Amino acid sequence: EAGVAQSPRYKIIEKRQSVAFWCNPISGHATLYWYQQILGQGPKLLIQFQNNGVVDDSQLPKDRFSAERLKGVDSTLKIQPAKLEDSAVYLCASSYRLDYEQYFGPGTRLTVT
Amino acid sequence: SQQGEEDPQALSIQEGENATMNCSYKTSINNLQWYRQNSGRGLVHLILIRSNEREKHSGRLRVTLDTSKKSSSLLITASRAADTASYFCASEGETGANNLFFGTGTRLTVIP
Repeated sequence: EAGVAQSPRYKIIEKRQSVAFWCNPISGHATLYWYQQILGQGPKLLIQFQNNGVVDDSQLPKDRFSAERLKGVDSTLKIQPAKLEDSAVYLCASSYRLDYEQYFGPGTRLTVT
Repeated sequence: SQQGEEDPQALSIQEGENATMNCSYKTSINNLQWYRQNSGRGLVHLILIRSNEREKHSGRLRVTLDTSKKSSSLLITASRAADTASYFCASEGETGANNLFFGTGTRLTVIP
């Protein structure tokens, strides 16, 4: 079974630029999550989708972050404009349903200079 | 913030010894989960313990949960060099929506 795929793996941008991350969940998984993990900390949930609807986006900085999950499969997370404090690893995870184990992708390491 | 804390922040042991990590959380939970993260790799789910359980075993892993103290511990017995990683606890709130709140992590180093 293929795991959660993410791209790119690494991205370096200057502050005020825009960036987008892509996630392809495990086939058949209805729930998709985006986490932000700052160096030395645990992951923090940014947004959670159930199929193509948002379940929870309470910790998403909506003035600069946006996410979508078209057709209930792939998802993209966008930051516009980026700030220095956005430097982190962005992890995507998926689960079969809301109450099932989450499987994490390898993450995208973002550096904002 | 609902993010929990883990103790110790770092732990270094010899291969074959046992490693114990502790986790505290802040709100009532549906379940508590432990994850492992190797350097440069994603998070891997290790074990889940529900709020009505007190202890759970999986291979060399033993997890306890004390809901009255809002704390959990992870014991790894007979450690191996391959166990070197960061370990995180993650609590799921009572809403059951699978929103996980991760702790700050314990960095375990197992010396061969």
